[in-house]
Amino acid sequence: GDSVTQMEGPVTLSEEAFLTINCTYTATGYPSLFWYVQYPGEGLQLLLKATKADDKGSNKGFEATYRKETTSFHLEKGSVQVSDSAVYFCALSDPPSDKLIFGTGTRLQVFP
Amino acid sequence: DADVTQTPRNRITKTGKRIMLECSQTKGHDRMYWYRQDPGLGLRLIYYSFDVKDINKGEISDGYSVSRQAQAKFSLSLESAIPNQTALYFCATSDSLASFGDTQYFGPGTRLTVL
Repeated sequence: GDSVTQMEGPVTLSEEAFLTINCTYTATGYPSLFWYVQYPGEGLQLLLKATKADDKGSNKGFEATYRKETTSFHLEKGSVQVSDSAVYFCALSDPPSDKLIFGTGTRLQVFP
Repeated sequence: DADVTQTPRNRITKTGKRIMLECSQTKGHDRMYWYRQDPGLGLRLIYYSFDVKDINKGEISDGYSVSRQAQAKFSLSLESAIPNQTALYFCATSDSLASFGDTQYFGPGTRLTVL
């Protein structure tokens, strides 16, 4: 079945460092791909999404490109801030139910 | 006001008790979902509902039941709670009529502890 694999955390960075969180997927169809973020004590919020191959999702300085040839959707940010500390989840949708299949999450800790 | 609300936000109960977690939404979405989050396991789907009369089991439905009382309300019940149901539970919604209807919107979560 469909699945998502993302790098284990925690990822610990200093402020203004470059961030990459790896995500790869397995899918039989043509899913949409998502990054959700969970700030401490809160629910998940959509960070960005891409719906087809070569699409780039972007939001709040974060980017991810839907790479069908490598089945990847890596999250990047050029300069992280302390406020970016959170847990990041990669996910894919499973049409036609639109069920989301999540990775296990990666905790990011950014220090001043 | 939040678009997706969950009550209670925290609950501690004992083994064998019946528990109901409630979810309400003001987004007007037709689809609703229940997930549980466990450390190191991400989120796993318990049940989902396309509309009031369409309810489907997810990946881990054993030990749970649901009720879709109205388009805006979707409740999750644990008929006889057990300690391994201790987790963070999330409700989510999506709009099948949206251009990209697979985006889901999450509530703040309910932290359930079963002693």
